[in-house]
Amino acid sequence: DAMVIQNPRYQVTQFGKPVTLSCSQTLNHNVMYWYQQKSSQAPKLLFHYYDKDFNNEADTPDNFQSRRPNTSFCFLDIRSPGLGDAAMYLCATSRPEASLYEQYFGPGTRLTVT
Amino acid sequence: GDSVTQMEGPVTLSEEAFLTINCTYTATGYPSLFWYVQYPGEGLQLLLKATKADDKGSNKGFEATYRKETTSFHLEKGSVQVSDSAVYFCPTGGFKTIFGAGTRLFVKA
Repeated sequence: DAMVIQNPRYQVTQFGKPVTLSCSQTLNHNVMYWYQQKSSQAPKLLFHYYDKDFNNEADTPDNFQSRRPNTSFCFLDIRSPGLGDAAMYLCATSRPEASLYEQYFGPGTRLTVT
Repeated sequence: GDSVTQMEGPVTLSEEAFLTINCTYTATGYPSLFWYVQYPGEGLQLLLKATKADDKGSNKGFEATYRKETTSFHLEKGSVQVSDSAVYFCPTGGFKTIFGAGTRLFVKA
């Protein structure tokens, strides 16, 4: 089945130690999104790629970066995680031309910062 | 800009009760509208959608009708089950989807 895959599902990192979360998709969607969701809160859009074009939200901290080496993969890099970065990180994809912004989500990676 | 107002939770119901979760929107034009569901510890899943006025989206016993006159897209289910316990989101449509805090539903056996 076509899907959005996130690895790992659970990630523990130390304060200040860089960490990378990964997302892959078999849907061949041209848009990929990263959201941060803290407990009992709304998913907050961090940035998205439309094809190779990177679009950062204005309030996304510089500590968060992303890479998209090809259509299928997208990475979220946290350069120096702080305790406040502990959250669920959700990857999503869409193909606006076909599905009018319907998004397909991965299961998420829960990040713990110790 | 576009926005949605979603009913605050939590909503607690007994099994087989009728469910309504209100969602109203303001938008320029008539965007597609969606309901997503998030089960504990999981990502979001599309529950249903409607792409134009008077469309009714339906899935797993849930329904929502895109009502232009009242700018609403309320989610309904005639008989909820314990397995429906989750958080429900009615985001803005459009390229940069904005999610509200969602409505948490608890269904008691």
